[in-house]
Amino acid sequence: GESVGLHLPTLSVQEGDNSIINCAYSNSASDYFIWYKQESGKGPQFIIDIRSNMDKRQGQRVTVLLNKTVKHLSLQIAATQPGDSAVYFCAENMRGNEKLTFGTGTRLTIIP
Amino acid sequence: DTGVSQDPRHKITKRGQNVTFRCDPISEHNRLYWYRQTLGQGPEFLTYFQNEAQLEKSRLLSDRFSAERPKGSFSTLEIQRTEQGDSAMYLCASSLQGPNEKLFFGSGTQLSVL
Repeated sequence: GESVGLHLPTLSVQEGDNSIINCAYSNSASDYFIWYKQESGKGPQFIIDIRSNMDKRQGQRVTVLLNKTVKHLSLQIAATQPGDSAVYFCAENMRGNEKLTFGTGTRLTIIP
Repeated sequence: DTGVSQDPRHKITKRGQNVTFRCDPISEHNRLYWYRQTLGQGPEFLTYFQNEAQLEKSRLLSDRFSAERPKGSFSTLEIQRTEQGDSAMYLCASSLQGPNEKLFFGSGTQLSVL
């Protein structure tokens, strides 16, 4: 079946530095991609999304990049803060399909 | 605060018992989803409702599981004859227009089956 995967299960970044979390997807028909942040004991929290007709989208301190050629998605977090420590999931959806397919997640740890 | 409420937050039960979880979505959202998440994994889709109609169920949803959304507002997820393998976080999410728009999750119900 189709899957969404992540390159690294853990990532440690010094506070104030930028972090990049990567994600590979395999369903070429996917046209909507989302990044979620999940803190311990909480549900996933929406961060940013991007549609397949875009290559880049920016939010507050976050940027998502989409490379459809190699089916790769990345989340960049600028000037990381201790509150950014969490597990980050990418998820994908194909129009007409009612479910999101999530990857395994990357644990981001911010080192003070 | 996403606005999606789930109750209870934690449930400990013995194998073989029945459990029921409740989800209150964001009030104007007509789509409601149930997902299950095990430790270290991403959430997995279980089922979804559009208003009161249950329109899709995952193969993960065995016949011991039943979900309802009787008035198109809150939803319940019941697990009968619980098994240890049912231990997981059960997440509810809601959306105004489907997963191709933003999906808002609740904090989940953590089920432990002893």
